[in-house]
Amino acid sequence: AQKVTQAQTEISVVEKEDVTLDCVYETRDTTYYLFWYKQPPSGELVFLIRRNSFDEQNEISGRYSWNFQKSTSSFNFTITASQVVDSAVYFCALSEVLSGANNLFFGTGTRLTVIP
Amino acid sequence: DTAVSQTPKYLVTQMGNDKSIKCEQNLGHDTMYWYKQDSKKFLKIMFSYNNKELIINETVPNRFSPKSPDKAHLNLHINSLELGDSAVYFCASSQDLRGGNEQFFGPGTRLTVL
Repeated sequence: AQKVTQAQTEISVVEKEDVTLDCVYETRDTTYYLFWYKQPPSGELVFLIRRNSFDEQNEISGRYSWNFQKSTSSFNFTITASQVVDSAVYFCALSEVLSGANNLFFGTGTRLTVIP
Repeated sequence: DTAVSQTPKYLVTQMGNDKSIKCEQNLGHDTMYWYKQDSKKFLKIMFSYNNKELIINETVPNRFSPKSPDKAHLNLHINSLELGDSAVYFCASSQDLRGGNEQFFGPGTRLTVL
């Protein structure tokens, strides 16, 4: 069965520090997708990134970067020079292609607090 | 224009009542979903529909009955509400069922059962 683990329940950093949010997943499928979503205090779910299982290239988008390593089944997310607006709950999620349903299986989330 | 909308945003009701949450997407997507986020922020898939047909029911009690009058709408009706139903319910849509399609989420409906 599929599983997504975000071991860090809460993280606090001081503004301008870098922070890495960990995500480890389990799946029997060889083809799958991994996602990160942000849930700010206002409550909506904001899509950040999607990565398929065949693309292990790291990605950078502004202050955000993602490190996908199939060998360790990890898809970690780093925020560089954190800002107060980054304070949110961040979810990692998995979608298995062979399931035929595109359901997202979420981790339990990591609450990031950036202290000014 | 809001891509995925839900009404109401907040719903407070008594135990035992029946209530509905509506969801509409204007993205032309074929597939829609309901997710439940509990008080610990855990998000879990409840249902997925493709072109008005139920695809997945993730062991949700049959007090929950989704209805899709057309592929732009997926409403959630809940009978005999219980305290444990208190949660935030998110509707989402994706282009189709293919794994990896980005899901667009609605703003959520916070249901409180007293």
